[in-house]
Amino acid sequence: KAGVTQTPRYLIKTRGQQVTLSCSPISGHRSVSWYQQTPGQGLQFLFEYFSETQRNKGNFPGRFSGRQFSNSRSEMNVSTLELGDSALYLCASSVGQALTGELFFGEGSRLTVL
Amino acid sequence: DQQVKQNSPSLSVQEGRISILNCDYTNSMFDYFLWYKKYPAEGPTFLISISSIKDKNEDGRFTVFLNKSAKHLSLHIVPSQPGDSAVYFCAASETETSYDKVIFGPGTSLSVIP
Repeated sequence: KAGVTQTPRYLIKTRGQQVTLSCSPISGHRSVSWYQQTPGQGLQFLFEYFSETQRNKGNFPGRFSGRQFSNSRSEMNVSTLELGDSALYLCASSVGQALTGELFFGEGSRLTVL
Repeated sequence: DQQVKQNSPSLSVQEGRISILNCDYTNSMFDYFLWYKKYPAEGPTFLISISSIKDKNEDGRFTVFLNKSAKHLSLHIVPSQPGDSAVYFCAASETETSYDKVIFGPGTSLSVIP
């Protein structure tokens, strides 16, 4: 079956702009979580959605937001971009009912802020 | 404050020898631990997990050891192969049976030298 799909794969923005990233989970998966990966920081949890509801949120400022649609697809938005927002943003999907290591990651969206 | 630490950013090992990747955590509520492997330009993939009721879990060449009193776990790869060269993320969660946010360490880049 098709894996987790993230779009766009690469994008360049300038400071102050906003960006929207999209994630399509594996069919049947109802949980989508987002992570930011930067050198030295590893993967930092942003938020997790299940059945259109945000269940968990990491320690990121309010400029980072997300949502999930009824078809489980998810978007994350970053407003007023800063240079430090340059990172690889990874989306992961899971069935959502039990965590057994089965987080399936997409290939990520690499954001560069100039 | 990082709750999951991987103090070695990189590790080089000869092919055929043992690779030992270490991970320490600070949150005593963590009850479930996972290792993910990540190749460049790909999303992380699940490797192996361990619940706190065990002190060892083995899957082929990969073994994870957990020392809960020391809040320490390690991943052993024996024998190491060039294809194992990747970034390895240690991750932890408070529960296994219901979804909770997964906290990742910063990663250790393993290079297996032929």
